Amino acid sequence: QSALTQPRSVSGSPGQSVTISCTETSSDVGVYNYVSWYQQHPGKAPKVMIYDVSKRPSGVPDRFSGSKSGNTASLTISGLQAEDEADYYCCSYAGNYIWLFGGGTRLTVL
Amino acid sequence: EVQLVESGGGLVQSGGSLRLSCATSGFTFSGYWMIWARQAPGEGLHWVASVKQDGSEKYYVDSVKGRFTISRDNARNSLYLQMSSLRAEDTAVYYCARYTESWHTFDYWGQGTLVTVSS
Repeated sequence: QSALTQPRSVSGSPGQSVTISCTETSSDVGVYNYVSWYQQHPGKAPKVMIYDVSKRPSGVPDRFSGSKSGNTASLTISGLQAEDEADYYCCSYAGNYIWLFGGGTRLTVL
Repeated sequence: EVQLVESGGGLVQSGGSLRLSCATSGFTFSGYWMIWARQAPGEGLHWVASVKQDGSEKYYVDSVKGRFTISRDNARNSLYLQMSSLRAEDTAVYYCARYTESWHTFDYWGQGTLVTVSS
């Protein structure tokens, strides 16, 4: 059972904003602020969109942003585009070079 | 260009063994922690194992401890996952990924290799 809980699905229309939450249910995980978000299109490898809670790798549009409040991390995608439709996974470092992934959220662009 | 290419997946009977490989290029392999992650059909991602730059430290998810062994050959820029006593629940696409410590994230992933364990 994952210690990171995500909604199974979210949806939004083009141009709108959506937020995907990732709630840490294990106190061990919450000690670190090493949360990443990955985008995965069907049949493709994951791609890092956000690291260290809110940092964005070069090449990732600034429409993608991350934040964390308490034990919940969030990924916000503004100005939704059709190509944003994908699965999104949060991932948090749990110490001792062990990582936990959330169950994943399917984003549908209506 | 950073590249990670997995190989070695296939169909194996329950209780069997398989060795996965991850050939890398485009970066100094010996300078990075590396991991294996997996994704069962229609399911989410799960971290499986990680290995330190020099291979001196290895960590595993509880469900594979004693059955899987992660290793690396820095001279060949390659990562491996030896899997034994395979079970149906090990059926998944297996990905190798590079861990960048300064970012605390997996910044490059391979395309994955499918392992199917038949019962």
